[in-house]
Amino acid sequence: GAGVSQSPRYKVAKRGQDVALRCDPISGHVSLFWYQQALGQGPEFLTYFQNEAQLDKSGLPSDRFFAERPEGSVSTLKIQRTQQEDSAVYLCASTNDPNSYEQYFGPGTRLTVT
Amino acid sequence: SQQGEEDPQALSIQEGENATMNCSYKTSINNLQWYRQNSGRGLVHLILIRSNEREKHSGRLRVTLDTSKKSSSLLITASRAADTASYFCATGLNQAGTALIFGKGTTLSVSS
Repeated sequence: GAGVSQSPRYKVAKRGQDVALRCDPISGHVSLFWYQQALGQGPEFLTYFQNEAQLDKSGLPSDRFFAERPEGSVSTLKIQRTQQEDSAVYLCASTNDPNSYEQYFGPGTRLTVT
Repeated sequence: SQQGEEDPQALSIQEGENATMNCSYKTSINNLQWYRQNSGRGLVHLILIRSNEREKHSGRLRVTLDTSKKSSSLLITASRAADTASYFCATGLNQAGTALIFGKGTTLSVSS
């Protein structure tokens, strides 16, 4: 079946612009995670949803970052007033079982802020 | 902040050789996983080892875990050019559904 998909794959934004990144998890997957991966680093946790509930947003770096998953499937990560330090790959992952630690990752969205 | 630290940061070997990478972590864990990331792609889960296990095998992969030293190793035997990728260890905490905490990764290059 289809894996996790993300769009757009690449996004260039001018500093100060707002961006919206989309994640389509594997159908039926309950848990959804967002990660930020800077160049040469491992992914860092941003936020976690179980169905439509955002259970953990402790990794969001500032109040410019906002995520939602209103119907418990597709999720959107929004970044307002983008800054150069926001440039990174944003990865989405999902799991079908909250007790399963194996996560299925999408290809990521590479955001470049100029 | 990142939980794990992989060692070495980069590794270059010839096809057919074995590759060993190590991971150290800081806090107590429920399990430890290894992921692979090919250039420009998302991460792929390779193997999970639970805190009460010491060794696990999957195909050409062998993972060990030493909870007393808070360390793990990943061995890839008979490496292939297709194994060229970055490898990350990730730890899961006790609470169900908690996010993974990744290390900085080891970049493996296998030349033919």
